[in-house]
Amino acid sequence: DAGVTQSPTHLIKTRGQQVTLRCSPKSGHDTVSWYQQALGQGPQFIFQYYEEEERQRGNFPDRFSGHQFPNYSSELNVNALLLGDSALYLCASSFGPIRSGNTIYFGEGSWLTVV
Amino acid sequence: TQLLEQSPQFLSIQEGENLTVYCNSSSVFSSLQWYRQEPGEGPVLLVTVVTGGEVKKLKRLTFQFGDARKDSSLHITAAQPGDTGLYLCAGTGAGSYQLTFGKGTKLSVIP
Repeated sequence: DAGVTQSPTHLIKTRGQQVTLRCSPKSGHDTVSWYQQALGQGPQFIFQYYEEEERQRGNFPDRFSGHQFPNYSSELNVNALLLGDSALYLCASSFGPIRSGNTIYFGEGSWLTVV
Repeated sequence: TQLLEQSPQFLSIQEGENLTVYCNSSSVFSSLQWYRQEPGEGPVLLVTVVTGGEVKKLKRLTFQFGDARKDSSLHITAAQPGDTGLYLCAGTGAGSYQLTFGKGTKLSVIP
């Protein structure tokens, strides 16, 4: 049983470009959340998707957008990249919303470097 | 905005020593989770605590949730080099779907 898979694992982009990161949730999971983890920091919540809709959004600008597909997989898009967007982007999946006692699984992340 | 403060930020100890990591907030959390993250990997869930005053044990690791559900601690007994990693606490607020993470405690256990 595959866990949460993310692609690509590493990528380098230039300032101003756009990037798309992909995530396949663990089998049986229907909820996907995205987090940004800068070097030396804890992960920061970007948004969560359930039933193909954005359920909650963190404190990130509109340059960050996402999508969830009918098969529960998800994409994170970042437009007009800034140097400060360089980080590890983590996808997390769960069955249902993240609530007390719910188990969340993280992927290994996509390392984005903006130069 | 809910915040979680972790301390210490860095911890380097000898194999066999005991240690405690703290996670504090001024906000109440519905549940609190502890994760361990290795370099180049995503966080892996260690435990979830949901009841104020709850204590959970996982082999040499003991987790406690404060009575007021605003703080938590992780105690490791007889640390081993395999315990080396980044320990993160994360909480969920009432009615929220997001995990709020602390900045983490980077633990190094020296053989």
